[in-house]
Amino acid sequence: EADIYQTPRYLVIGTGKKITLECSQTMGHDKMYWYQQDPGMELHLIHYSYGVNSTEKGDLSSESTVSRIRTEHFPLTLESARPSHTSQYLCASSDLDRETQYFGPGTRLLVL
Amino acid sequence: SQQGEEDPQALSIQEGENATMNCSYKTSINNLQWYRQNSGRGLVHLILIRSNEREKHSGRLRVTLDTSKKSSSLLITASRAADTASYFCATDQGTGNQFYFGTGTSLTVIP
Repeated sequence: EADIYQTPRYLVIGTGKKITLECSQTMGHDKMYWYQQDPGMELHLIHYSYGVNSTEKGDLSSESTVSRIRTEHFPLTLESARPSHTSQYLCASSDLDRETQYFGPGTRLLVL
Repeated sequence: SQQGEEDPQALSIQEGENATMNCSYKTSINNLQWYRQNSGRGLVHLILIRSNEREKHSGRLRVTLDTSKKSSSLLITASRAADTASYFCATDQGTGNQFYFGTGTSLTVIP
């Protein structure tokens, strides 16, 4: 079982609030990823990181930001949540050969 | 879009039957992977097949890859109710650090 954790699992919040979704992994993986997934739909990459102090945007434009200060930690922040941000957010990590991604359980976000 | 497509979108079978789902993609790849996602959860890696391989087995799973047709299939034999989940293919196109996921097939196995 993968050692990658996301908190909170569920979050209901009002419009305009600042939120941070946490993701941590204990596998020492250099590469980490954030995906957005609407119910029954494919995953869209919104951010990824090669390692500490490295962050890149994915294919799907997102108003969120990420940081990578420590190898094991890759939080995602929304400065001002909107209903259009309602979705499931999945964090993943992979090792250097990046052949397999390990996923966290996801955070379901509902913005009212 | 660089993402793949899977068909069928949804599949419902009786326990014990085989389930086949297909994935098509658009560009050349280094490898293709299949993942399973139980409802509301993260994805779990099932199997990887490299671009120079044509078939691979893992337990009740059999994956084929046809790079000339840019397609792959996942066969689950002797299905069980616990196999009920969504199944996604993901391609490593070697263009960077991104995996491109397909649209997924929702499998329901009826006990």
